[in-house]
Amino acid sequence: EPEVTQTPSHQVTQMGQEVILRCVPISNHLYFYWYRQILGQKVEFLVSFYNNEISEKSEIFDDQFSVERPDGSNFTLKIRSTKLEDSAMYFCASSDPGLAGDPGELFFGEGSRLTVL
Amino acid sequence: AQSVTQLDSHVSVSEGTPVLLRCNYSSSYSPSLFWYVQHPNKGLQLLLKYTSAATLVKGINGFEAEFKKSETSFHLTKPSAHMSDAAEYFCVVRISGTYKYIFGTGTRLKVLA
Repeated sequence: EPEVTQTPSHQVTQMGQEVILRCVPISNHLYFYWYRQILGQKVEFLVSFYNNEISEKSEIFDDQFSVERPDGSNFTLKIRSTKLEDSAMYFCASSDPGLAGDPGELFFGEGSRLTVL
Repeated sequence: AQSVTQLDSHVSVSEGTPVLLRCNYSSSYSPSLFWYVQHPNKGLQLLLKYTSAATLVKGINGFEAEFKKSETSFHLTKPSAHMSDAAEYFCVVRISGTYKYIFGTGTRLKVLA
């Protein structure tokens, strides 16, 4: 069964360092997303991406964050200068446009746990 | 603004008894609603979805949910809880006309032997 894959599963970094989280969405999906979940808290929307541009972004997704689809398979989230409060589980998701162009449900990866020291 | 509210942060049931996890939504339009489950240290798995077809939606593992427009609710139920149902459950709404999906705060289900 097709699945969304994320790497790394866990990354530890020093405050101020750049981090890139990688995702391979399901191959025929056209919509891509990043969410984050700080330990013990709710799942928060960061950004959605369609047709090689950002469709929606939240107030969390500030200038420190960027997303890119560098080739036909990968979808990356970059945090330029990490802060302690960026420590969280980051989930990538993708969705299928469906027959009527509706994005449909989200298919999630297993997540990348980021720890900022 | 569209949102979802999960009324209970924790629910405990005995194995074999019914499960009810409550979710209310606010939306100006006919919403797309979903329930996801997250087992410890795992990703998010879709249980079921409502996208303006039948109001009673059946999902995986014996779960179902009923869309009630008059009550703006989309409660998740299961007739008989199993130990493996212990997890965090999230009600999710897709904001109409956008690619933005908003999660509720989650309900942690505990199943007692």
